[in-house]
Amino acid sequence: QVQLQESGPGLVNPSETLSLRCNVSGDSMSTDYWSWIRQPAGMELQWIGRVSVNEGPSYNPSLRSRVTLSLDTSANNFSLRLRSVTAADSAVYYCARGGGSGGIDSWGQGTLITVSS
Amino acid sequence: SYELTQPLSVSVALGQTARFICGGNNIGTKNVHWYRQKPGQAPLLIIYRDSHRPSRIPERISGSNSGNTATLTISGVQAGDEADYYCQVWDRGVIFGGGTKLTVL
Repeated sequence: QVQLQESGPGLVNPSETLSLRCNVSGDSMSTDYWSWIRQPAGMELQWIGRVSVNEGPSYNPSLRSRVTLSLDTSANNFSLRLRSVTAADSAVYYCARGGGSGGIDSWGQGTLITVSS
Repeated sequence: SYELTQPLSVSVALGQTARFICGGNNIGTKNVHWYRQKPGQAPLLIIYRDSHRPSRIPERISGSNSGNTATLTISGVQAGDEADYYCQVWDRGVIFGGGTKLTVL
């Protein structure tokens, strides 16, 4: 059974870069899509983007200019970098398996990111 | 960009049937997935590709999709079904609906 675990700083200063990593166990990561999704407090889910071995990354158009996703199958993890963060980027960030035609079937527990000085 | 429309809330008496609507232009041509999210928890996939249930999901949860509307149905609603329910499709990216909050009376 696949398990995902996010790791990150918790608190980020405005204008800096947010870096998150998702460690994956129970899956080789050589197939499937791997996504990042975020959810501001009390609000809806927002897909950030996905990576896979077989395709280049795909990004939410509203975030494309600030986001970079990468995949490291040798270390069984994938990562997110979000540049020039503002308070509007404060949210719970989830990593997950899926993001193609089959739904998102496994999620990490989420990590709360607050952007504040 | 493609949009999914969900009512903000649904209220159903214990033991009755809850129906959740997800509206989108020709959504019947897309694969629709449904998630349940309880407070403080990650979303859980409960229906994929319109009407398929993951192995852990009980048969009282079902889905359909046609025309401009996809529907999630929960029969025999229990107190533990109280949650937010999100629909999702792929349209040049993953698109989520705004979610519907289920209240069990």
